Amino acid sequence: DGGITQSPKYLFRKEGQNVTLSCEQNLNHDAMYWYRQDPGQGLRLIYYSQIVNDFQKGDIAEGYSVSREKKESFPLTVTSAQKNPTAFYLCASSPGTGIWGYTFGSGTRLTVV
Amino acid sequence: RKEVEQDPGPFNVPEGATVAFNCTYSNSASQSFFWYRQDCRKEPKLLMSVYSSGNEDGRFTAQLNRASQYISLLIRDSKLSDSATYLCVVKGSSGSARQLTFGSGTQLTVLP
Repeated sequence: DGGITQSPKYLFRKEGQNVTLSCEQNLNHDAMYWYRQDPGQGLRLIYYSQIVNDFQKGDIAEGYSVSREKKESFPLTVTSAQKNPTAFYLCASSPGTGIWGYTFGSGTRLTVV
Repeated sequence: RKEVEQDPGPFNVPEGATVAFNCTYSNSASQSFFWYRQDCRKEPKLLMSVYSSGNEDGRFTAQLNRASQYISLLIRDSKLSDSATYLCVVKGSSGSARQLTFGSGTQLTVLP
């Protein structure tokens, strides 16, 4: 079945460490996105990519980095520069920049210990 | 002002009730509109798109008023399984690659 796979589901990070969250899709979608969700808040855009080898900063990119070397994959690295990384991270994809909604992965819950 | 604003909720309603959620958006050039449903600690899932003519899917009806920049979702005959957070989502203007903007969500609890 086509879909988006995020891993791991739960991740614990020590302060000062970088961690990478995986996002893989087999929907043949061109566009991919990373969002962060904090309790009681809406989703905030971290980074997005419309095409392989290209990506753009969203509203809260500081302390994060991404790569898009393959169409199927859009990993997110949470660096030690991100001061408050504990959150629910959601990856999404869409066929392009048209009128479609997004398909989301099941998310990664990151906790700093 | 937030780009997308929703009723703060929470809404607690008995089974069988009709409940309506409202949402306003600030960008008059917005192109597309959606309602997503998010269960506790899960990812959002597309519930329905919202069209200018209004659209219905079973017990769910969505309306769009472009002049007032207002979107609504009506749920009739509420079921326990409707309990979730409902997110109002707006797509930016043509050519915008920043895509969707999400409201903070309205929490619904349907009580037995």
